[in-house]
Amino acid sequence: NAGVTQTPKFRILKIGQSMTLQCTQDMNHNYMYWYRQDPGMGLKLIYYSVGAGITDKGEVPNGYNVSRSTTEDFPLRLELAAPSQTSVYFCASSYSGEISPLHFGNGTRLTVT
Amino acid sequence: KQEVTQIPAALSVPEGENLVLNCSFTDSAIYNLQWFRQDPGKGLTSLLLIQSSQREQTSGRLNASLDKSSGRSTLYIAASQPGDSATYLCAVRWRNYGQNFVFGPGTRLSVLP
Repeated sequence: NAGVTQTPKFRILKIGQSMTLQCTQDMNHNYMYWYRQDPGMGLKLIYYSVGAGITDKGEVPNGYNVSRSTTEDFPLRLELAAPSQTSVYFCASSYSGEISPLHFGNGTRLTVT
Repeated sequence: KQEVTQIPAALSVPEGENLVLNCSFTDSAIYNLQWFRQDPGKGLTSLLLIQSSQREQTSGRLNASLDKSSGRSTLYIAASQPGDSATYLCAVRWRNYGQNFVFGPGTRLSVLP
């Protein structure tokens, strides 16, 4: 059982570069989420999706974009990397929104220099 | 703005002790509350999910309680072991607050052999 898979595990970007963080889940979950975790802080929601073709902003969406063309995949795009985007990024999924638990991937540690 | 707090930020106990971790949240109109464990450099592992209609959930040596009226949840760990050392986070989903789980900053637990 793979669950939620994120790639890459680590990445170093220069300021202004772009990249896509990949997330895929094999649990047929409708809901998918992107969070970032900064040291000493709780996780902050960046974007979420309630199904293929539907995405919406979370608490900290600036500087990011997402798409959801399939149920399984939910990539996060950074267009112009900034040092403030240095963080650990977690993808999560749940079967439904209100009552189902969240399942997390192992994260991507991103450094922007 | 909805917030989740966790006290203490860090806790050290000798092996074998029973311990309680605290989680407080604003506003009692929640869907559910979830407790997670996070090991260093890893993703979050779901421990227990308590729905708003429930008072507690148990899994092995773990027991989580929920008191909506006071805006509090506790995670009780019985007979602690060194392998329980990790950061424990609670997350709350509120009604009428979109799809966001709001996370607390976590309690870092060290169980000393």
